[in-house]
Amino acid sequence: EVQLLESGGGLVQPGGSLRLSCAASGFTFSSYAMSWVRQSPGGGLEWVATARGGGSNTYHADSVKGRFSISRDNSKNTLSLEMNSLRPEDTAIYYCAKAYIRDYTYFGSWGRGTLVTVSS
Amino acid sequence: EIVMTQSPATLSVSPGEGATLSCRASQSVSGNLAWYQQKPGQAPRLLVYGASTRATGIPARFGGSGSGTEFTLTITSLQSEDFALYYCQQYNSWPLTFGGGTKVEIK
Repeated sequence: EVQLLESGGGLVQPGGSLRLSCAASGFTFSSYAMSWVRQSPGGGLEWVATARGGGSNTYHADSVKGRFSISRDNSKNTLSLEMNSLRPEDTAIYYCAKAYIRDYTYFGSWGRGTLVTVSS
Repeated sequence: EIVMTQSPATLSVSPGEGATLSCRASQSVSGNLAWYQQKPGQAPRLLVYGASTRATGIPARFGGSGSGTEFTLTITSLQSEDFALYYCQQYNSWPLTFGGGTKVEIK
């Protein structure tokens, strides 16, 4: 059974930093693209970043480019999101999501999410 | 960036009736479209990918169709568990983008 467990969320001041992690199990982690998708309170879904299975190819939304960085450690089955220069508009639940099929970029499994609140 | 527009924003349906949800892309995404269902307090669940292929375990009452810029999710004979939010997502090009969602509520 696929399991994705996010951690690292919390309250941070504007301009601050946070590192999210996603511990994956139940599948061959290195074979699948992994992504972060966020959802602001009462809002819709917004794709944040994706790392291909091999990890060398990463993609980021323009809204976070230069501030956030996705990475993965295939030896530890872990996905990470380093978030810097946080803004109030980054406040959201951050979901870790696994590609349904290999490196395809639609999401077949999701974690429960971790809440990030950016506020002074 | 490809903008995904869903309509209507809210759909009121009686249990047992059918529902048709629309998703329009600002430019062609070919058949690279997925649909998700989200219930309050839960993560989204993949329903359909490739515009028309149901994900594993998804009931046959959920059907996707369309290509290019116009897509439809059809739910026949709504069950109580189908009242939820539905999102479309294109994965044809970066950045990946979602529609704003359609809420299917009980009439």
